[in-house]
Amino acid sequence: EPEVTQTPSHQVTQMGQEVILRCVPISNHLYFYWYRQILGQKVEFLVSFYNNEISEKSEIFDDQFSVERPDGSNFTLKIRSTKLEDSAMYFCASKVLAGGTYYGQYFGPGTRLTVT
Amino acid sequence: AQTVTQSQPEMSVQEAETVTLSCTYDTSESDYYLFWYKQPPSRQMILVIRQEAYKQQNATENRFSVNFQKAAKSFSLKISDSQLGDAAMYFCAYRTQGGSEKLVFGKGTKLTVNP
Repeated sequence: EPEVTQTPSHQVTQMGQEVILRCVPISNHLYFYWYRQILGQKVEFLVSFYNNEISEKSEIFDDQFSVERPDGSNFTLKIRSTKLEDSAMYFCASKVLAGGTYYGQYFGPGTRLTVT
Repeated sequence: AQTVTQSQPEMSVQEAETVTLSCTYDTSESDYYLFWYKQPPSRQMILVIRQEAYKQQNATENRFSVNFQKAAKSFSLKISDSQLGDAAMYFCAYRTQGGSEKLVFGKGTKLTVNP
C-alpha cells in the first residue's frame, strides 16, 4: 500500500539554525499538509498546500516557516531560525479526492525535531 | 471555529473486552467528516475509521465502530474484542468544509489494554 514518507526521522539542531523537513506524499495525491504535535499535546494544523501554493495557514505558521514543492515528489517544510518551542513532532499528510469520495488524510511517520 | 473535545484523558480495558471512547464537537456546518486516528508509541498517525455526516449509518471497520449522533454532535469509537495492539493514543478529528479542509483534533485519549 502506498504511504507518505518523511525524512529525517529525528533531527537535532541548535537554536537559531535553519532546518528543512522533507516529505514524499503519495504519488496521486493533490493536497499536502504539515501538522505539528508538541510532546503530550494534540496535533495542530500548520499549513496546507495545493496547486503549488499555500491554501491555508495557521497562526503558528509565521514568517519563520515556509513550504515548497521543489519537484514532482517532494514537499518540504523549512524553519528559518529555530526556537526552543519549535521542538515537536512534525507530520506531513496528503489526500486525494477521487470521484467525489473523500478517503481522508494519510499521515507520514513524522519527524521529531529537537531544538537545543 | 470548530472544536473537538475528548473528555477522557485515559481509559483502560481488559483484553477481549469492549471499550468506548467519547468525542464531541462543535460546528455550524451541516456537512462534514469525522475521523478517529490511532497513535501508537511510535507516534505515527494511523487512520482508524471515518464517518460522513450526511450518512445516518454508523461506520464500521472490523472491530472498530462508531456511534455518530449528529444532533448531539457526538462521535464515539467502540473497540470490540480489544487486543494488546490496540493500546495507543486515540485522536478524534473533524475535517473542516471548504478552504483547505484541514483537520481539527481533540486532545486525545490514552487507551491501555490490560492482559
